[in-house]
Amino acid sequence: QQQVKQSPQSLIVQKGGISIINCAYENTAFDYFPWYQQFPGKGPALLIAIRPDVSEKKEGRFTISFNKSAKQFSLHIMDSQPGDSATYFCAASREDNNDMRFGAGTRLTVKP
Amino acid sequence: EAGVVQSPRYKIIEKKQPVAFWCNPISGHNTLYWYRQNLGQGPELLIRYENEEAVDDSQLPKDRFSAERLKGVDSTLKIQPAELGDSAVYLCASSLRYRGNIKSSGNTIYFGEGSWLTVV
Repeated sequence: QQQVKQSPQSLIVQKGGISIINCAYENTAFDYFPWYQQFPGKGPALLIAIRPDVSEKKEGRFTISFNKSAKQFSLHIMDSQPGDSATYFCAASREDNNDMRFGAGTRLTVKP
Repeated sequence: EAGVVQSPRYKIIEKKQPVAFWCNPISGHNTLYWYRQNLGQGPELLIRYENEEAVDDSQLPKDRFSAERLKGVDSTLKIQPAELGDSAVYLCASSLRYRGNIKSSGNTIYFGEGSWLTVV
């Protein structure tokens, strides 16, 4: 049961460009939406997260845009760098039970 | 602060053999998770503990998988017997859900580096 759908599966961006990854969720009870970054051979690490009371959250070059009515949220990486090359997972959960559901992941490659 | 520690990092076994993975969560974290991550996929929850109690094991294949978290700290995930389709990365994670009797805000889950299982 895939509750979080992520696209694209892979993404290639030139250095300095904008990387955009999209996610859609089904369960309207979800109220916490994090993005995780995973490098090869490592576990996922929290990158940035948003709650549905705001439509956008920015931390450095990373921005989450959230559309509650469409049940969609996206990650924007500005000025993409080769060091950003990794797999990115969106996720969603309910704060009252901590049941985190992950998207299938987007493999980002930033070319120098 | 030490992160989530898992062992072994890599394991190759023949099918029908048993295997066990160990996890030590971040100190003080009362919620512990075991996820399975297949190649090119996102993590899928196998079991979630709040202290010693398994509060969600609906996705754990109970015919061959078992888990325990004695004393509410470290945990062991066992597969017996292993099948070819069990080849995956087994991720342990932890989070702080309660401070005393007060539910903490935030759902940050911290992952270990994973145990890579290959069944041949």
